[in-house]
Amino acid sequence: GAVVSQHPSWVICKSGTSVKIECRSLDFQATTMFWYRQFPKQSLMLMATSNEGSKATYEQGVEKDKFLINHASLTLSTLTVTSAHPEDSSFYICSASLWAEAFFGQGTRLTVV
Amino acid sequence: AQSVTQLGSHVSVSEGALVLLRCNYSSSVPPYLFWYVQYPNQGLQLLLKYTTGATLVKGINGFEAEFKKSETSFHLTKPSAHMSDAAEYFCAVSVREYGNKLVFGAGTILRVKS
Repeated sequence: GAVVSQHPSWVICKSGTSVKIECRSLDFQATTMFWYRQFPKQSLMLMATSNEGSKATYEQGVEKDKFLINHASLTLSTLTVTSAHPEDSSFYICSASLWAEAFFGQGTRLTVV
Repeated sequence: AQSVTQLGSHVSVSEGALVLLRCNYSSSVPPYLFWYVQYPNQGLQLLLKYTTGATLVKGINGFEAEFKKSETSFHLTKPSAHMSDAAEYFCAVSVREYGNKLVFGAGTILRVKS
């Protein structure tokens, strides 16, 4: 199947700093990628839909100025958590769809201290 | 709008016993349905999917699921549980368009007892 690579797999940052997470489709082109957030012992919640060459579409309640998404190429989408705070600590997962199937990255464990 | 309900946040079975994880969905249009497995601190791995055609779908690791439109269900089963099946399982639904988003159920943690 198709491969989606997410980097880094884990990151610890200080409160107030920004963190960038990359999501790459390694062997296919993805005009659309999705960013999810998963709190401990909870399901995945869609944060935003990343569209190549255009603005991301954010789900209700997600701050677009805090979670910056850039989809500059058909194989790369980035999520930047700006001015991170401890409550942003979570597991972030990206996915890209090929035909009817979604392929997920390995996830990024963000811890803000 | 689509939604997914997974009955039972935790399911415990003995090794070798039948595994049954329940999933009901709501969708205003014909859905695509998926089951994913997640191990701790890892991404999601697709077990199986239903898009069109045969309603009984076979997936990896001996899992299968049956799409029942009349019951709006897509329950996941495996005849004989293995210790390595212990993980969290998510049912998801999407509408039939390319590159669309998934709506996930709350997840079911499967515990396998020796």
